[in-house]
Amino acid sequence: IAGITQAPTSQILAAGRRMTLRCTQDMRHNAMYWYRQDLGLGLRLIHYSNTAGTTGKGEVPDGYSVSRANTDDFPLTLASAVPSQTSVYFCASSPQQGVGYEQYFGPGTRLTVT
Amino acid sequence: EDKVVQSPLSLVVHEGDTVTLNCSYEVTNFRSLLWYKQEKKAPTFLFMLTSSGIEKKSGRLSSILDKKELFSILNITATQTGDSAVYLCAVEAGSNYKLTFGKGTLLTVNP
Repeated sequence: IAGITQAPTSQILAAGRRMTLRCTQDMRHNAMYWYRQDLGLGLRLIHYSNTAGTTGKGEVPDGYSVSRANTDDFPLTLASAVPSQTSVYFCASSPQQGVGYEQYFGPGTRLTVT
Repeated sequence: EDKVVQSPLSLVVHEGDTVTLNCSYEVTNFRSLLWYKQEKKAPTFLFMLTSSGIEKKSGRLSSILDKKELFSILNITATQTGDSAVYLCAVEAGSNYKLTFGKGTLLTVNP
């Protein structure tokens, strides 16, 4: 089934630990995105990638890093997790950057940092 | 800084009612405005609007954009309990076409 998969579904993580959230899409979309969703704050862009090999910073990039080695995968890494990174993380993709291309969202990863 | 404001933040109605959700924005270099519906998990796409005054319609849902007054509305007629969800408005803007989301409107439709 075509779409976006994220792993893990949920995770409890001790503060200071390193964690990578995985995102894979099989739609051959060029653009991919990571958002976090927090109660009262809505969805906020963390990082994005317009095509394999390029990445950019979003609204809230501090404490997070991404890589885009190929078209399908866009992992998000928390180098040293802090409790303020407790959130639901959504990966999204679109055929390419530009008007006329909506973003498709993955099912999300619920992360709790204790 | 780009800004998207949705109102109301929450709304409770009875089945059969008609609702109007609002989205206003202040962005640099507007590209498009999108509406999403979010139930339990991932947001799902509803509409993309790029031109003023042209209504997009899908079943009981419709939406329109006013680029002069910088807002959009999402209408749902004859609401059903299955319409209960958070409705998200997002604006695509700037040279990188990045999306800025509003905080959403929580719609609850009671039987």
